[in-house]
Amino acid sequence: TQLLEQSPQFLSIQEGENLTVYCNSSSVFSSLQWYRQEPGEGPVLLVTVVTGGEVKKLKRLTFQFGDARKDSSLHITAAQPGDTGLYLCAGPMNTGFQKLVFGTGTRLLVSP
Amino acid sequence: ETGVTQTPRHLVMGMTNKKSLKCEQHLGHNAMYWYKQSAKKPLELMFVYSLEERVENNSVPSRFSPECPNSSHLFLHLHTLQPEDSALYLCASSQTRTGGNSPLHFGNGTRLTVT
Repeated sequence: TQLLEQSPQFLSIQEGENLTVYCNSSSVFSSLQWYRQEPGEGPVLLVTVVTGGEVKKLKRLTFQFGDARKDSSLHITAAQPGDTGLYLCAGPMNTGFQKLVFGTGTRLLVSP
Repeated sequence: ETGVTQTPRHLVMGMTNKKSLKCEQHLGHNAMYWYKQSAKKPLELMFVYSLEERVENNSVPSRFSPECPNSSHLFLHLHTLQPEDSALYLCASSQTRTGGNSPLHFGNGTRLTVT
């Protein structure tokens, strides 16, 4: 069974701080996706990382895919209240139709 | 209207009721999904439809019955639910792509409470 464990589960920080969220697995994934879910809404795709060691930047967000393609991290620089939400990583399962397995999620709260 | 639209946004039902959740996508995608999101649990895939054919039923109890009349619409029919079925039910769509995984586009969900 492919599982994705995210840490920390919950993070409460002040505006302007930096943070890193981790997504780990014992399985190899061909790619990983990161989503953000704001309160009362569905998850929205932020980025897809495909190549081992790949780094992608989205404004203040930096995503990295591990060299072995078993893990990924999301680093946020100078967090803002608008970054508040649930961050989910997801990867395609090896079997069956196109299906994604989702991580356990990191709930981020950024206070002004 | 664009994206994925789910109705209703909130639903409270008794254990003997029958209700349906509706999902509509305006993205021209050919795959649609139902996910269940419960507190402290990862998103759980329930059903997958590709080109209106069910390709996945993830061991979901029969009290949940999906229907996909066309590639733009997806329903989840509910009957004799249990309190533990209370959750956020998310619909998603994607463009299937051979050999790869397409990102999911989610609706805003239906918050279901079973009393």
